[in-house]
Amino acid sequence: EVQLVESGGDLVQPGGSLRLSCAASGFTFSSSAMHWVRQAPGKGLEFVSAINSNGGSTYYIDSVKGRFTISRDNSKNTLFLQMGSLRTEDMAVYYCVRWNSYGLDYWGQGTLVTVSS
Amino acid sequence: EIVLTQSPATLSLPPGERAALSCRASQSVGTYLAWYQQRPGQAPRLLIYDASNRATGIPARFSGSGSGTDFTLSISSLEPEDFAVYYCQHRNNWPFSFGPGTKVDFK
Repeated sequence: EVQLVESGGDLVQPGGSLRLSCAASGFTFSSSAMHWVRQAPGKGLEFVSAINSNGGSTYYIDSVKGRFTISRDNSKNTLFLQMGSLRTEDMAVYYCVRWNSYGLDYWGQGTLVTVSS
Repeated sequence: EIVLTQSPATLSLPPGERAALSCRASQSVGTYLAWYQQRPGQAPRLLIYDASNRATGIPARFSGSGSGTDFTLSISSLEPEDFAVYYCQHRNNWPFSFGPGTKVDFK
């Protein structure tokens, strides 16, 4: 059974930092591209960042470039999102999602990031 | 960047009715379009990929059509569990993006 379990969400002040983790199991993690997708409270879905299977290519939306860093440890089947200079508009549930070359086929349950003073 | 718009914002229908949800892209995405369902309190679920292909385990009452800039998700006969929010999403080029969603609620 495929499982994606996010952790690391927390309450942080504007300008602060946070590191999200996603533990993957039930599939060959090292062969899968992965994404972080977020959803602000009561709002729609937004792609945040993506990484290819070996970590050699990364992608970011403009609003997080230079502030967020996606990475992965294939030896530990774990995906990360290092988030810095956090803004109130970054407040959302962050989902770890597997990309299967044509869609986001497996989603974690999400971890909540709250940015507030 | 490609912008997706969805209509209507809300669709109110009784169970058993047919639903048709629209997604329009600001430029052609070929058939690189997917649909997702999100029930309250749950993560989204992939329904349709490449415009018309049902994902694994998705019931046959869900179908997708379209190409280029205009796409439709059809639900042939609404079941109680189908009342949810539906999002379209393109993968034509980065940044990928989602539409704003269509909420299908109970009439």
